[in-house]
Amino acid sequence: GNSVTQMEGPVTLSEEAFLTINCTYTATGYPSLFWYVQYPGEGLQLLLKATKADDKGSNKGFEATYRKETTSFHLEKGSVQVSDSAVYFCAPKNMGRRALTFGSGTRLQVQP
Amino acid sequence: GAGVSQSPRYKVAKRGQDVALRCDPISGHVSLFWYQQALGQGPEFLTYFQNEAQLDKSGLPSDRFFAERPEGSVSTLKIQRTQQEDSAVYLCASSLGGQETQYFGPGTRLLVL
Repeated sequence: GNSVTQMEGPVTLSEEAFLTINCTYTATGYPSLFWYVQYPGEGLQLLLKATKADDKGSNKGFEATYRKETTSFHLEKGSVQVSDSAVYFCAPKNMGRRALTFGSGTRLQVQP
Repeated sequence: GAGVSQSPRYKVAKRGQDVALRCDPISGHVSLFWYQQALGQGPEFLTYFQNEAQLDKSGLPSDRFFAERPEGSVSTLKIQRTQQEDSAVYLCASSLGGQETQYFGPGTRLLVL
């Protein structure tokens, strides 16, 4: 089955700092890759996705590139805001299995 | 438009009680998923429906857990004889099809005392 390794949090940054949250995965075949975000008190929301190698998903200033050779899908943002404070989950999904496999999540705290 | 809704949002149960958690998916979504999220962890898959058919229940942790979706819309997750280790947030997600993006509800936080 799939497995996901995310960098441990919390990650604490000052506003306007550069963000990287690492994610590596193991999966059979070529999964689709997702980043979900969970803001305080809210449900999981899709942040971005990529469905094939070298695809770049992007949304709200966040980006992640599907790297098949390194089985990675690192999340980046050039300038974080206080409102980005949340827990971020990396999740691969195989074509043959419909369920998402989530990492343990990385908590991001952005200080003004 | 309306998203996925879940009820109740919070449930406190005494050990040994039965509980029922409800999920209303986005209208027209064929696929419905249940996940369990323990404190400080990522969600873990429990079960999957396509319309009214339960196609995958490999994630259900024991036979005390039962899910149904009799008319292919609303789903209920039932936990019998609750145990303390069942305390978690139970998330429901729906999608247009099995391979499409999953949209999550706010979850039901279950606390078993």
